[in-house]
Amino acid sequence: QPVLTQSSSASASLGSSVKLTCTLSSGHTSYLIAWHQQYPGKAPRYLMKSEYSGSFYKGSGVPDRFSGSSSGADRYLTISNLQSDDEADYYCETWDSNTRVFGGGTKLTVL
Amino acid sequence: QVQLQQWGAGLLRPSETLSLACSVYGGSFNDYYWSWVRQSPGKGLEWIAEINHTGSAKYNPSLKGRVTVSVDTSQKQISLTLTSVTAADAAVYYCLADPDSSLDDYIWGQGTLVTVS
Repeated sequence: QPVLTQSSSASASLGSSVKLTCTLSSGHTSYLIAWHQQYPGKAPRYLMKSEYSGSFYKGSGVPDRFSGSSSGADRYLTISNLQSDDEADYYCETWDSNTRVFGGGTKLTVL
Repeated sequence: QVQLQQWGAGLLRPSETLSLACSVYGGSFNDYYWSWVRQSPGKGLEWIAEINHTGSAKYNPSLKGRVTVSVDTSQKQISLTLTSVTAADAAVYYCLADPDSSLDDYIWGQGTLVTVS
C-alpha cells in the first residue's frame, strides 16, 4: 500500500512563502493526493487535490495564496504571503483500490 | 453542497462497542466515497474504513476484524461499528466525503469525541 512521508514541522516568516512536501512511496509515485488543513481542536478542512502532472484542484473558498505542484514522487503545497491564520497542521492523503492513507502531518509555524 | 452531521455515544467502557452514524444533507449521495477517520489525542489522522453507495467497503488492516461500516442510501446515512474497544480507541472520529470528481470538494464531519474509561 502507498505510504506518505511529511516533515513533522516547518516554519516561515509572516508575509513570506513556504513549500510543504509530501513524498509518495516507491511504486506509488504517480498517485493523486489531497491536502487538508487542521487547526487545533477543529475538524480538518479540505484544501486541494494535486496530480503527478502538476495540476491541482482547489477547494471552494481556498485563498489564491495556496497552490499545488509536483515533481516525481513529491507533491508540494505552497503558501504565499503567509498569514498568522496559516499556522496549522497540514496533512496529505492518498488512496488506491484497497486503502486510504494519510501522511503524518506537518505542523506549520508562522514566525 | 453536502453537509455531514455525526452522532453517537461518546463515553464507552473497555470491551464495549462503539457505534457512530453520519447523516448526509444535500448533494448527490451516490457521487461520494464515505470514510471514517480518527485522530487520537496529539496524533495524526488515521483512516478507518470506506464505503460507497453500493455497499462496497474497504478497511484499515490494523482494525479489520473489529470494524464494520455500512450505508443506508434511503436514509442517506453511513454507520461505523467498532467492537471490543480499549483505551487505544479513544479519539475524535470524523466522517469524510470524498467526491468522485476532482473538481468537487471533500467534506468533513464535525467530529465526535470518543472516550474509553
